[in-house]
Amino acid sequence: SSELTQDPAVSVALGQTVRITCQGDSLRIYYASWYQQKPGQAPVLVIYGKNNRPSGIPDRFSGSSSGNTGSLTITGTQAEDEADYYCNSRDSSDNVVFGGGTKVTVL
Amino acid sequence: QVQLQQWGAGLLKPSETLSLTCAVYGGSFSGYYWSWIRQPPGKGLEWIGEINDSGSTNYNPSLKSRVTISVDTSKNQFSLKLSSVTAADTAVYYCARGAQDFTMVVVVITAASYYFDSWGQGTLVTVSS
Repeated sequence: SSELTQDPAVSVALGQTVRITCQGDSLRIYYASWYQQKPGQAPVLVIYGKNNRPSGIPDRFSGSSSGNTGSLTITGTQAEDEADYYCNSRDSSDNVVFGGGTKVTVL
Repeated sequence: QVQLQQWGAGLLKPSETLSLTCAVYGGSFSGYYWSWIRQPPGKGLEWIGEINDSGSTNYNPSLKSRVTISVDTSKNQFSLKLSSVTAADTAVYYCARGAQDFTMVVVVITAASYYFDSWGQGTLVTVSS
């Protein structure tokens, strides 16, 4: 399968921890990469590889992987973390695939 | 710090050809995959296709018959053409730099990662008669 599946929406209280998951067969080989997208803006890479953050991304963002599932965890969620989050990888045909996105609401 | 700047026509009529170009500033052109990605209004991200610095392409099977991605390494630019557009092609189009890493044990790939670390600003393309 070339699909990546994400929950459409999650909510989290300010300062709490939220985990977003991404499921797909390709994730048995590929680590999921994660992007944050705020309204009207281009996506921004927040996690790649086993658990790597690009320069400038706060350390409250972390990634993990188990079986066919990749996860993005935000620890101590801030108001500015409210956004859409997308995962991606390559599939078995070498095509690039994205998950459907998860809308994170900070309460 | 690499920067991607894109441009192209924002309003098309059905059956016309969409044409966008992305210029890469401040980074190496080689060793990366140069992609086009689109996002219809209110929807998620869809990968259109990619090209590397040697000109090898890879397209989304659902768009392959209408897509051409080309590269001009002398200008550090790559371009997208999407033919026979319809209203369903209305979207924000992004160019992006893709990077791929492998973890290997002897000759076996045990893990991999593919990610877009730089994005263009996006171009809204509207198809309307």
